[in-house]
Amino acid sequence: NAGVTQTPKFRVLKTGQSMTLLCAQDMNHEYMYWYRQDPGMGLRLIHYSVGEGTTAKGEVPDGYNVSRLKKQNFLLGLESAAPSQTSVYFCASTRISGTENYGYTFGSGTRLTVV
Amino acid sequence: KQEVTQIPAALSVPEGENLVLNCSFTDSAIYNLQWFRQDPGKGLTSLLLIQSSQREQTSGRLNASLDKSSGRSTLYIAASQPGDSATYLCAVRPETSGSRLTFGEGTQLTVNP
Repeated sequence: NAGVTQTPKFRVLKTGQSMTLLCAQDMNHEYMYWYRQDPGMGLRLIHYSVGEGTTAKGEVPDGYNVSRLKKQNFLLGLESAAPSQTSVYFCASTRISGTENYGYTFGSGTRLTVV
Repeated sequence: KQEVTQIPAALSVPEGENLVLNCSFTDSAIYNLQWFRQDPGKGLTSLLLIQSSQREQTSGRLNASLDKSSGRSTLYIAASQPGDSATYLCAVRPETSGSRLTFGEGTQLTVNP
């Protein structure tokens, strides 16, 4: 099925370790996003990309880096994980075409625990 | 700054009831509004997308309305079923934020058999 695929689905990290979360979409969407979801805080935008080779900061970018080397992939990196980064991470994508506004498609999430 | 509020935060109803979930937003300058469903431990599934020029959208037992000028949307669920139990999120795409969505906190719905 076409959609947004996130890997891995679960991960436990020790404080200070690094890791990369991968998001892949096969819908040829230009726009991609990384969100984190925490109890009582809703969904918060970490970083986003409006096209291949571009990235921009969202609401809570500190401690994360991203890259969009290929249109279909959006990578989220944690260079030195901290317990405060324990969360569920969601990737999403959408397309913009002229005056048409399309909805978002979300991945199934990555549950990350930092101990 | 756009803010999205969903009321109530939680709702419990018996099976078979018709129900309405509410979403309000502070800035009426939006491109569209999207309703999502999230099951525990799962991702977000898109239910309905309403463009700013539209008044409502329907899919099966779901009907979403949009009153852009008053900053309100409702999600109507007819003949609720236990399988409808989930958290329902609404999100708006403000005209001033490019493509970024602003989410509400969600309404946690429980349909009791």
